[in-house]
Amino acid sequence: NAGVTQTPKFRILKIGQSMTLQCTQDMNHNYMYWYRQDPGMGLKLIYYSVGAGITDKGEVPNGYNVSRSTTEDFPLRLELAAPSQTSVYFCASSRKYGQGRETQYFGPGTRLLVL
Amino acid sequence: GEDVEQSLFLSVREGDSSVINCTYTDSSSTYLYWYKQEPGAGLQLLTYIFSNMDMKQDQRLTVLLNKKDKHLSLRIADTQTGDSAIYFCAEIGGESQGNLIFGKGTKLSVKP
Repeated sequence: NAGVTQTPKFRILKIGQSMTLQCTQDMNHNYMYWYRQDPGMGLKLIYYSVGAGITDKGEVPNGYNVSRSTTEDFPLRLELAAPSQTSVYFCASSRKYGQGRETQYFGPGTRLLVL
Repeated sequence: GEDVEQSLFLSVREGDSSVINCTYTDSSSTYLYWYKQEPGAGLQLLTYIFSNMDMKQDQRLTVLLNKKDKHLSLRIADTQTGDSAIYFCAEIGGESQGNLIFGKGTKLSVKP
């Protein structure tokens, strides 16, 4: 199993550009999550999904959109990139929803720089 | 709202014990977690503790939970240079309804 994979690893965007961060998991997990990690800060939840076709906002959803057409994929879309979206983005997945050892498995992250 | 606090830095010598502390505000948290993040990598679950437990030991790792004071600690015995990383405390349950709430992370530096 590859686990959770993310592409790209690093990207530079100009203000106002759009891009999609890709996330795929091969563990057949129902639950998937997108976090952002700003320097010196913990992770903040952007969006999450409890299954294909179902998504919900997390703590910091503004400026982002998600979709979940399949169990495996959970892309994150930035429509109009802003410098405040410079961050490291982590995708995660889990089999259950917050139950002990049924923890979230994290991808390696996408580093995004908006100039 | 919910909050998780950690000290930002800890420096120890190789072979010593490390103790990383965390405080949280949500008294209804059901599970508390410790994650490890190595440079340039995602988060990796180290261990977790259920809220009705006081202590959990897993090889070199000992987790202590003081529910009354809402204080969680992670002790790493015989700390090695490979333990150098950022350690995140996280809680789940209660108001967060299943979402993880992370602290800012404690950067552990291990000197030879």
